[in-house]
Amino acid sequence: EVQLVQSGAEVKKPGESLKISCKGSGYSFSGYWIVWVRQMPGKGLEWMGIIYPENSDIRFSPSFQGQVTISVDKSSSTAFLQWSSLRASDSGIYYCARLFGHCTDTDCSFPIHWFDPWGQGTQVTVSS
Amino acid sequence: QSVVTQPPSASGTPGQRVTISCSGSISNVGNYYVSWYQLLPGTAPKLLLYRNNQRPSGVPDRFSGSKSDTSASLAISGLRSEDEADYYCASWDDSLSGWVFGGGTKLTVL
Repeated sequence: EVQLVQSGAEVKKPGESLKISCKGSGYSFSGYWIVWVRQMPGKGLEWMGIIYPENSDIRFSPSFQGQVTISVDKSSSTAFLQWSSLRASDSGIYYCARLFGHCTDTDCSFPIHWFDPWGQGTQVTVSS
Repeated sequence: QSVVTQPPSASGTPGQRVTISCSGSISNVGNYYVSWYQLLPGTAPKLLLYRNNQRPSGVPDRFSGSKSDTSASLAISGLRSEDEADYYCASWDDSLSGWVFGGGTKLTVL
């Protein structure tokens, strides 16, 4: 079974650092992009960034560039999302998902892909 | 506020058919595939449809999708209580050079 399992809920204080994880199994982890998605309390989903485990190629949404760090450990099939100094506004649920698609001989661009499967989400609460 | 608009809520009674719209622009929905996701509290989001109207294995044919111009729709027929969830559409966006989600629709089964 293709699966992404995320680390557990975190409660942190403003200014603290945090690293959450997303472990893939049941497929060739290195060969598929992993995306991170944020859901702030009571709000919708936002695409944060994406990483290709094979070579750690990373793309960020402009809204999240410089705000978080995305990394990966191929040896453990795990992707990470990291903050160096949390703010209350970082509170929310963070999801990882595998980027999947049916590429053709001529097109394997991002737009033809979708997100499947998803991790169960990691609740991050930042409060003094 | 998302550049792709969904109604914040929708409702129906068991057995009914409901549709959820996803309205964007030429820079996203109008030019690219739309996918749909179901979010239930405490569980991993689930892919419902990809490439506008394709169902993954395991998704009942009660769920269907369509797209026309800059709008897409998710239809759920034979509504069941377990369909009560939040639903999101997603598409690539040229302006963002990334994916954009609709604002989400909370479906209530009355």
